[in-house]
Amino acid sequence: AAGVIQSPRHLIKEKRETATLKCYPIPRHDTVYWYQQGPGQDPQFLISFYEKMQSDKGSIPDRFSAQQFSDYHSELNMSSLELGDSALYFCASSLRTAGFTDTQYFGPGTRLTVL
Amino acid sequence: ELKVEQNPLFLSMQEGKNYTIYCNYSTTSDRLYWYRQDPGKSLESLFVLLSNGAVKQEGRLMASLDTKARLSTLHITAAVHDLSATYFCAVEVNTGNQFYFGTGTSLTVIP
Repeated sequence: AAGVIQSPRHLIKEKRETATLKCYPIPRHDTVYWYQQGPGQDPQFLISFYEKMQSDKGSIPDRFSAQQFSDYHSELNMSSLELGDSALYFCASSLRTAGFTDTQYFGPGTRLTVL
Repeated sequence: ELKVEQNPLFLSMQEGKNYTIYCNYSTTSDRLYWYRQDPGKSLESLFVLLSNGAVKQEGRLMASLDTKARLSTLHITAAVHDLSATYFCAVEVNTGNQFYFGTGTSLTVIP
């Protein structure tokens, strides 16, 4: 079965650079989520999209933005990168059925290292 | 501020033993999820609990939800080494498009 695809898997950037992470959800899933997970930390919810519209925002810095495109793939854009942005970034997708989320399927993650 | 707390944070247990991980949350929610994460890997969905009193079992793991107490438990029966991982609970809030994860419980099963 198709899974959530994330690219790139690894990314190394310098401080103050920009980065773009991509996520391709499972086909027919209508919701995409982005999470940031620091070393030894729990995943922190950043933002979600439902049917290509921004749905909820969590602890996403103003330097970050995200969007979902007509083909349902999503991109997380990160600018003015800081050392503290180094983390695993997960994308997840789900299908809302009868008003609730069945479960989230997580991608393999993008490991971002800011030097 | 929403809080999702797990207890214990670290758990070391011998094979064959039983133990329970607790997940407390501070907001009203009828939906709670359990995930497993191996080191450096992604998260794998274990259970979806959608109502008060929900109980689900898969192999040596059983999860339950008490929405009145805002408490979920993950019970491990006769632990085996393969269960070693970090376990997260997550609460679904608001429109259902926002999830808050617990602090995680790092489980080590000693042969």
